Amino acid sequence: DSGVTQTPKHLITATGQRVTLRCSPRSGDLSVYWYQQSLDQGLQFLIQYYNGEERAKGNILERFSAQQFPDLHSELNLSSLELGDSALYFCASSANTYEQFFGPGTRLTVL
Amino acid sequence: GENVEQHPSTLSVQEGDSAVIKCTYSDSASNYFPWYKQELGKRPQLIIDIRSNVGEKKDQRIAVTLNKTAKHFSLHITETQPEDSAVYFCAASGGGGADGLTFGKGTHLIIQP
Repeated sequence: DSGVTQTPKHLITATGQRVTLRCSPRSGDLSVYWYQQSLDQGLQFLIQYYNGEERAKGNILERFSAQQFPDLHSELNLSSLELGDSALYFCASSANTYEQFFGPGTRLTVL
Repeated sequence: GENVEQHPSTLSVQEGDSAVIKCTYSDSASNYFPWYKQELGKRPQLIIDIRSNVGEKKDQRIAVTLNKTAKHFSLHITETQPEDSAVYFCAASGGGGADGLTFGKGTHLIIQP
């Protein structure tokens, strides 16, 4: 157990819908990272937040957005969902800006 | 941006033998290189990492080597055991927390009994 929690574990929704994924970092970690894992794209970095502020962007689509709240938990919002958005979404947290510890992931299925 | 290439995509070794997985990176500014192990349906788990000021690091049966000049790094697992079977990912980042990890495509390691 990494100490990072994610909810929900599974999410099934339809094309065009909007969903929110939630992540709670390890106690004391200020950085939260979001990653997408799919068979064709592999593990891809989406976005990073540090102490409530956006710190870095990766391959995040404009339909996706994220935020980090004062209690340091983070939410990833995915809108206008397409079939190709079906994937595992992981968040990771870090205390020292190097080692990243991953949560158990949310499996998103878009039908 | 950074690009990480990982080889081989599948590696099958006899139990007790050694396994080596190799990665190359493109961005000479990258200075942090972690390795993750992922079992089916589970989260990536950090198993070892190395920073650019170090050439080699060991932790029991696993070791990582880094050649900054050639921009490649490798994972070595000795005395392989059945529980080592998993997908292994290498990654690179600029460190300092200012960017995320760029991952290789993964190596499926199979330990044959």
